[in-house]
Amino acid sequence: GENVEQHPSTLSVQEGDSAVIKCTYSDSASNYFPWYKQELGKRPQLIIDIRSNVGEKKDQRIAVTLNKTAKHFSLHITETQPEDSAVYFCWEGSTLGRLYFGRGTQLTVWP
Amino acid sequence: KAGVTQTPRYLIKTRGQQVTLSCSPISGHRSVSWYQQTPGQGLQFLFEYFSETQRNKGNFPGRFSGRQFSNSRSEMNVSTLELGDSALYLCASSMRESEQYFGPGTRLTVT
Repeated sequence: GENVEQHPSTLSVQEGDSAVIKCTYSDSASNYFPWYKQELGKRPQLIIDIRSNVGEKKDQRIAVTLNKTAKHFSLHITETQPEDSAVYFCWEGSTLGRLYFGRGTQLTVWP
Repeated sequence: KAGVTQTPRYLIKTRGQQVTLSCSPISGHRSVSWYQQTPGQGLQFLFEYFSETQRNKGNFPGRFSGRQFSNSRSEMNVSTLELGDSALYLCASSMRESEQYFGPGTRLTVT
């Protein structure tokens, strides 16, 4: 990844617990922040995204928060399930068209 | 509508050879991006094409090149293959500043 710091690189949680992944970016012009999930052996797929005019967005057990002042955004997964186990990538993009992404977080949910 | 397709899905080449991979984007998508994914380096951005022009480029040597045709289909070429080029090559198509749709990838093995 470039220009986006993603932490942690690995995360293990018990089923039912919450998981939080944080990303920090540097380009103040960035206005689009998607999160992708890549299950083992599969292609990355968008799970949620947020644009810079919104501070938080929820979709069932998944939420993303954005702090433009601090230039960081986070993915929150509540009531985790084993099928949430995957690699999660945060991305940031701007009107210039280039998307930058973090190095990924390997989330493991133990039953 | 049909998803992103990549051909071939699997490929075995010998060091020193060259290879061409193909990506057909979703109809109407004018942006095609290419990525290399390996266990060691993770996901890395190769380049992006928009309306037949390379708009962004990652930090890869000149052996990696690409092009996009008027129908938005894209090809990437790797010349003088090295063992380290063994990877999953993913392409993704998108409308500008929106969700990227990934193809299934081409798994390249260099022996």
